[in-house]
Amino acid sequence: QVQLVQSGAEVKKPGASVKVSCKASGYTFTSHYMHWVRQAPGQGLEWMGIINPGGDRTTYAQKCQGRVTMTRDTSTSTVYMELSSLRSDDTAVYYCARDIGPGAQYIFDYWGQGTLVTVSS
Amino acid sequence: DIVMTQSPDSLAVSLGERATINCKSSQSVLYSSNNKNSLAWYQQKPGQPPKLLINWASTRESGVPDRFNGSGSGTDFTLTISSLQAEDVAVYYCQQYYSSPVTFGPGTKVDIK
Repeated sequence: QVQLVQSGAEVKKPGASVKVSCKASGYTFTSHYMHWVRQAPGQGLEWMGIINPGGDRTTYAQKCQGRVTMTRDTSTSTVYMELSSLRSDDTAVYYCARDIGPGAQYIFDYWGQGTLVTVSS
Repeated sequence: DIVMTQSPDSLAVSLGERATINCKSSQSVLYSSNNKNSLAWYQQKPGQPPKLLINWASTRESGVPDRFNGSGSGTDFTLTISSLQAEDVAVYYCQQYYSSPVTFGPGTKVDIK
C-alpha cells in the first residue's frame, strides 16, 4: 500500500534552515509528482510547491520562492523540502502529498503524517 | 491567485441528518478542454492529514462512502453529507487546481448536534 513517511518534529531558531524528508513506498516513486503543503497551527492549508521525482523539475509558490528548495533521491525514494531564513510565521505542520497523476494534476491522493516545525527564539 | 471561500465556518448536524457545505471560487474553475471543474474536497480529522474525498467537483475517490456527494460548476460548489455519521466529524476543505498556485478554502468544521 502507498505510504509516505516523514521525518520527525523540529525546533529551529529564527534565521535557521530546516530540511524535512518524505520517504515513499508502495508505488513507483518516479511515476508520481510530489507536493509540499503546510498548515499553520489552527489554520488552513497552503501549497508550497511541486517536484517531479522522475526528472527533478520543481515549481515553487511565489510566497516561498527563494527560501524553499525541493529535492529528491531516487535511490531511497525520498523527497526533501528545505526552508531557509526561518521566521516565526513558518511555524506549521509540513506535509508531503502525492499527486494523483498521471502527470501533474495538483490533486493530492496520499499524504504523509506531517512534520511539525516550530520556529522560536 | 484564485481565492476560495467556504460557508458556513462551522455547523452542527444531528446524526443521520444532512450536512451541506458551500464553496465559492473568485473565478471560474471550469476547465474547457475536458468540461470538468477543477475542484476537490478533502476531509481532515484532528491530528491527521487531509484525506481526498472528491475530485473534478463530483467524482468520489475509491472507498469514500456514497453519502458524500459533490456538486456545482463554475464558481459555486457544494459538498453534501446525506446522512451524517459520527466518524464524519472533521474539517472539510475545498481546493481549486485550475491554476497555480492551487488554493484551499478556509475550511468548514462539522460537528454532531
